[in-house]
Amino acid sequence: DAGVTQSPTHLIKTRGQQVTLRCSPKSGHDTVSWYQQALGQGPQFIFQYYEEEERQRGNFPDRFSGHQFPNYSSELNVNALLLGDSALYLCASSHYQGNNQPQHFGDGTRLSIL
Amino acid sequence: LAKTTQPISMDSYEGQEVNITCSHNNIATNDYITWYQQFPSQGPRFIIQGYKTKVTNEVASLFIPADRKSSTLSLPRVSLSDTAVYYCLVGVMDSSYKLIFGSGTRLLVRP
Repeated sequence: DAGVTQSPTHLIKTRGQQVTLRCSPKSGHDTVSWYQQALGQGPQFIFQYYEEEERQRGNFPDRFSGHQFPNYSSELNVNALLLGDSALYLCASSHYQGNNQPQHFGDGTRLSIL
Repeated sequence: LAKTTQPISMDSYEGQEVNITCSHNNIATNDYITWYQQFPSQGPRFIIQGYKTKVTNEVASLFIPADRKSSTLSLPRVSLSDTAVYYCLVGVMDSSYKLIFGSGTRLLVRP
């Protein structure tokens, strides 16, 4: 039973570029959440997708957008990259019931902005 | 402003019990409290989840007081492999509903 898988594992971009990160949820899960984790800090909630719609959003600008596909997989898009966007981007999946279902995390995509 | 606060670090020895507390003053009424363990270069791993009183599983216990404004993760008889960062996660009501991780507690287990 595959857990949450994310791709790519590492990525290097330059300021101003755009990036797309991908996530496949754990089998049987229908909800995907994205988090940004800066070095030495806790994950920060970006947004959550269920039934192909954004259901909840944290304090992130519109440069951060996402998508969920009919097979429940998801993409995170970040436009106009800034140096401060360098971080580990984590995807988590769960059954849809807010925070009352444990989230299963992938090992993340390490994004470095030069 | 909703905050979720944990001690920055803790030291322990093998075989001891470790208790890590998280303060979450704005927890949403119907939300559970979840704890995760994270090793370097890996995603967080689920440890335990609870709503109130006490929950126990094969690896940990979780104590939640009646006001639910804090929670304590208890790790019985820690081993060297328990050296990791531990996070609490709660849903809070600020200007809107948000999921918030604690700042994390770095646990070092010594031989």
